[in-house]
Amino acid sequence: KQEVTQIPAALSVPEGENLVLNCSFTDSAIYNLQWFRQDPGKGLTSLLLIQSSQREQTSGRLNASLDKSSGRSTLYIAASQPGDSATYLCAVIEAGGTSYGKLTFGQGTILTVHP
Amino acid sequence: AAGVIQSPRHLIKEKRETATLKCYPIPRHDTVYWYQQGPGQDPQFLISFYEKMQSDKGSIPDRFSAQQFSDYHSELNMSSLELGDSALYFCASSPGHLYGYTFGSGTRLTVV
Repeated sequence: KQEVTQIPAALSVPEGENLVLNCSFTDSAIYNLQWFRQDPGKGLTSLLLIQSSQREQTSGRLNASLDKSSGRSTLYIAASQPGDSATYLCAVIEAGGTSYGKLTFGQGTILTVHP
Repeated sequence: AAGVIQSPRHLIKEKRETATLKCYPIPRHDTVYWYQQGPGQDPQFLISFYEKMQSDKGSIPDRFSAQQFSDYHSELNMSSLELGDSALYFCASSPGHLYGYTFGSGTRLTVV
């Protein structure tokens, strides 16, 4: 059974810092990995999608990397801003067996950026 | 750009009542997933559909059922509601798993 773990569970940083969120998964049979942002009580906003054949994706101040063989992904946020405060969720899209195409989420990292 | 539409946004029901949640995927997306997110928890997979057929089933109680219609919209039917069913229910759609998923804004169900 696929398990996704995110570290740290919570992170509080001053504005302007660069930071890294970590995600690991136990089964490397994935199609791709997707990072989401969720504001309290709100929906999930897709940030970056990395296909299993790719090593990284970039969007603005965000950069996500994927090492499929070791089961790891990182989300790098440059020059953090208070508006970045949210929960960040990592999810893998499974490729194996009966879980074909299913998204499995980590428990998220709660990020607080203070002015 | 069109997004995934969920209705209603909020729903309050009493115990033992029934509820129906609706999801309208992005046009030409043939896959729909339903997730349940309890307070402080990550989204848990309930059920999925591909081309109007159920494709996978997760931790969905027997009291819940779902279907996808000919126009690709999907409905999650929940009966004999319990207090523990209070959660955010998300629908996501995709044109194919290689392209990732787009989530709706969710339906917040409160059972009292």
